[in-house]
Order: sequence, then C-alpha cells, then structure tokens
Amino acid sequence: KQEVTQIPAALSVPEGENLVLNCSFTDSAIYNLQWFRQDPGKGLTSLLLIQSSQREQTSGRLNASLDKSSGRSTLYIAASQPGDSATYLCAVIAGGSARQLTFGSGTQLTVLP
Amino acid sequence: DADVTQTPRNRITKTGKRIMLECSQTKGHDRMYWYRQDPGLGLRLIYYSFDVKDINKGEISDGYSVSRQAQAKFSLSLESAIPNQTALYFCATSDSGIFYGYTFGSGTRLTVV
Repeated sequence: KQEVTQIPAALSVPEGENLVLNCSFTDSAIYNLQWFRQDPGKGLTSLLLIQSSQREQTSGRLNASLDKSSGRSTLYIAASQPGDSATYLCAVIAGGSARQLTFGSGTQLTVLP
Repeated sequence: DADVTQTPRNRITKTGKRIMLECSQTKGHDRMYWYRQDPGLGLRLIYYSFDVKDINKGEISDGYSVSRQAQAKFSLSLESAIPNQTALYFCATSDSGIFYGYTFGSGTRLTVV
C-alpha cells in the first residue's frame, strides 16, 4: 500500500525566505505527482503536476521536483510571502487503471510579516 | 464559475437523517471522486466513478452511497447520518489522459448532531 509522508508537519518562516517542503512515497510505481494548497476550511487548489517522466515543474515562485527512483519530491517556494501561509499537500497518483490518489498529511506553513 | 461545484457548502443535520451532497463539473472529465477529510487522518476516498455506468467503492464506503446522474454530476448520500460522519467532504474530477491531474471542489462541511 502506498504511503506518503510530508516533512515537516509545520513550518514557520519570516517573510522573504526561500523554503523547501519535502514529500516521500514508498512505492515508486507512480503515474504522476501533484502538489496542492489548502487554506483553512477551504478546498484544494492545484499548484503543480509532475508527470512521472518529468524531473521538475515550475510556476511563478514555485518549483517542484520529482525523483521517482528514490521516492521523493520537493516543493521549493522562493521569496515567501504572508499570503503563502496555508497547508501544502503532496499527492501521488498510482499507476494502473484506477490511478488513485494518495495524500500526505500536509505541511502547515506560516509566513510571518 | 468554478470548474467543480459542490452544494451545499455547509450543512448541519441530525443523527438518523438522510442527506445528499451534490457535485457538478464543467471540466468535461469522465472520472469523478468523493473524498472526506478529517483532522489528523488526511483525505480518504469514499467512492469513485470512471463513467456513468461505472461506480467503485473506495477505502471508506460503509454508510455512504453514490449516484452518477450524468457525466457532469455525481452525488453522495448518507442514508442515515451518524456523528462520526462529521467531516469536510470533497468532490474531485480527473481526466483519463496522460495529463492525469485532479481538480477539487471547494468542499462541503457536514456536521451531524
């Protein structure tokens, strides 16, 4: 059974810092990996999708990398802002016909002004 | 308009009542899903559907049923609500192509008293 772990569980940084969120998964036979953002009590907003054949994806100040063989992904946030404060969820999409999504428990990020 | 719309946004119901949560999407995706999110347990899959005639149980389907009324509509029912079904419920869609990413609705906060 696929397990997804996110470290750290919580992170507090001053505004302007660059930071890295980590995600690891136990079964490397994934199809894709997706990073989401969730604001308190709100829905999930997709940030980046990395196909299993790709090494990284970038969107604005966000960069996500994928090392499938070692079962790891990182989300890099450059020049953090208070508006980046949210919970960040990593989810792996399994191979096979079901393509089911397995989530990590998230990293709660607080960016202090 | 949102790509994935869930109604209602919030609902309080009494133990034993039947309740339906509705989801509609404008993505044109074939695949639709229902998840629940509980603090400390992350997101868990309740049911999923790959087309109108295909319904599958997820890891926590007991106490729930679903109906896929059309490609764009997927509803979740609690036949007899109980307090431990209090949670945040999310509907999601995905396509079946190589760019296999998920889109989530804003969620329904359900409280069973």
